[in-house]
Amino acid sequence: GAVVSQHPSWVICKSGTSVKIECRSLDFQATTMFWYRQFPKQSLMLMATSNEGSKATYEQGVEKDKFLINHASLTLSTLTVTSAHPEDSSFYICSAGGQSARDTQYFGPGTRLTVL
Amino acid sequence: AQKITQTQPGMFVQEKEAVTLDCTYDTSDPSYGLFWYKQPSSGEMIFLIYQGSYDQQNATEGRYSLNFQKARKSANLVISASQLGDSSMYFCAMSRRGGGNKLTFGTGTQLKVEL
Repeated sequence: GAVVSQHPSWVICKSGTSVKIECRSLDFQATTMFWYRQFPKQSLMLMATSNEGSKATYEQGVEKDKFLINHASLTLSTLTVTSAHPEDSSFYICSAGGQSARDTQYFGPGTRLTVL
Repeated sequence: AQKITQTQPGMFVQEKEAVTLDCTYDTSDPSYGLFWYKQPSSGEMIFLIYQGSYDQQNATEGRYSLNFQKARKSANLVISASQLGDSSMYFCAMSRRGGGNKLTFGTGTQLKVEL
């Protein structure tokens, strides 16, 4: 299957700082990537769809100004958690793949964010 | 709106036995995809198997098979000859037509394979 990487794999930061997470498709081009958040012992919740060359589309209830998404190239999408607070501590995971409902999404290894 | 339901928070199976993980779904879309992913403690999501809503035959991938019953809106995962390494969290997910392949996930089933 396709390979998706994420960096960093974990990050600890102080409250009020911003954190950037990178998601890269290593062996294919992805015009669309997705960002999910997962709290401990819970399921993955879609946060936003990252579109190459255009604005991201956010799911209901997700703050656009809080979670900034940039998809500047066909292989890279970034998620920036701005002014992070302890409640933003979570596991963030991206996916990439085809665009039709039949296409498998391949996931990155995830980034564990802890805000102190 | 789409919904995925996994009613088994935890399952136990003996090594070498088969196990079925349940998944039911609800959607008004005629075209959709159903996926199973495995998430070990490391957190990565590992793709296991896919079933399209128009596929006539049940999907199989090695020891994994998907028991797709469209009329009942169920897509159960069957793991044959369980191995200790199969112990993990398993998620059922559904994609939406026209959504750029956004996935809606179930709550997951924690599978424990015992000797």
